[in-house]
Amino acid sequence: DGGITQSPKYLFRKEGQNVTLSCEQNLNHDAMYWYRQDPGQGLRLIYYSQIVNDFQKGDIAEGYSVSREKKESFPLTVTSAQKNPTAFYLCASSRQMDYEQYFGPGTRLTVT
Amino acid sequence: AQSVTQPDIHITVSEGASLELRCNYSYGATPYLFWYVQSPGQGLQLLLKYFSGDTLVQGIKGFEAEFKRSQSSFNLRKPSVHWSDAAEYFCAVGASDSNYQLIWGAGTKLIIKP
Repeated sequence: DGGITQSPKYLFRKEGQNVTLSCEQNLNHDAMYWYRQDPGQGLRLIYYSQIVNDFQKGDIAEGYSVSREKKESFPLTVTSAQKNPTAFYLCASSRQMDYEQYFGPGTRLTVT
Repeated sequence: AQSVTQPDIHITVSEGASLELRCNYSYGATPYLFWYVQSPGQGLQLLLKYFSGDTLVQGIKGFEAEFKRSQSSFNLRKPSVHWSDAAEYFCAVGASDSNYQLIWGAGTKLIIKP
């Protein structure tokens, strides 16, 4: 079955450590997205990539970094510069020039 | 700038009762409209979408939505809710000048009373 996988489901880190969240898709989609979700705030776009080796900042990119070396993979690194990293992170993908997005199950990151 | 408003943060409905979740958008032309559902701790699943044509669209799980251009609305409806419908519902809009990004509403949490 095609879909998006995010691992791990839960992640715990100490403050000051960088952490990388995995996102892999086998839908052959060109575009991939990272969202952050906090209670009552809906989805906020962190980064997106429409083709391999290219990505753009979203609305809240500060303290995050991404790479897109392969079409299937779009890992997100939460750096120590991110002031409030505890949140639920969602990865999504879409076909080229298509608005419909498909979502992974999410990773809940807790930083203490 | 485009925006999406879901005026109700929470809605409580009795099991078996009808449901309507509101969504209003701000955009000059006809947008691409979506409703997604999210169960607790899960990813989002597409319920239905509207691009053009018939303004009443049918989705999965017995949901439907109606696009009303005059009211800039795309409200989600279900004639009889089940306890399994308890979730958070998100309306999203894609505008032709948004580089294929979706603009998201803040979500409405649906609570089902037994």
